[in-house]
Amino acid sequence: NAGVTQTPKFQVLKTGQSMTLQCAQDMNHNSMYWYRQDPGMGLRLIYYSASEGTTDKGEVPNGYNVSRLNKREFSLRLESAAPSQTSVYFCASTYPRTYEQYFGPGTRLTVT
Amino acid sequence: DAKTTQPPSMDCAEGRAANLPCNHSTISGNEYVYWYRQIHSQGPQYIIHGLKNNETNEMASLIITEDRKSSTLILPHATLRDTAVYYCIVRASGTYKYIFGTGTRLKVLA
Repeated sequence: NAGVTQTPKFQVLKTGQSMTLQCAQDMNHNSMYWYRQDPGMGLRLIYYSASEGTTDKGEVPNGYNVSRLNKREFSLRLESAAPSQTSVYFCASTYPRTYEQYFGPGTRLTVT
Repeated sequence: DAKTTQPPSMDCAEGRAANLPCNHSTISGNEYVYWYRQIHSQGPQYIIHGLKNNETNEMASLIITEDRKSSTLILPHATLRDTAVYYCIVRASGTYKYIFGTGTRLKVLA
């Protein structure tokens, strides 16, 4: 039982490049989330998916797109990376009865 | 969503109880209080949650005031491994969104 996994762990992009961050969970959870965390700050919600086939914007969705590929996987895409998107990105899923969130280890992204 | 206010930092002596306060004065009747912690740069870890009653589990206790406007997370015997940022979050029943604040940085001192 791996919980929530994220790939890659680290990534460096040049301004304007695109990339997709991958997230998968093996706990059969319906809802999944993407957050970003800037240095010294709390987590901010980018997008979430309450169930397979649905996605909704969070606090800071601009510059990102998401895909809920199936119940297990929820990906985050940066179409044209900007230095302001340098951050640590966390994926999470939620246990339905108590809404506890389980987080992945994070992807550390630097945009130069 | 109700907003939470926490002190930015606290120290606690190893072996002593750590009491972390959280103010959520605009909380409404169907909103739950959750606590998470983040050690170094790892993903946050769930600690405990409650609605009205005090709660206890193997990690901590959660004390919610009768008017529900504030709560305290208690780590009964803090260890060096409890050094982390602790987040208090309010979530409305039936919603999926969590709004994290900046948390309290707890340092446990040897």
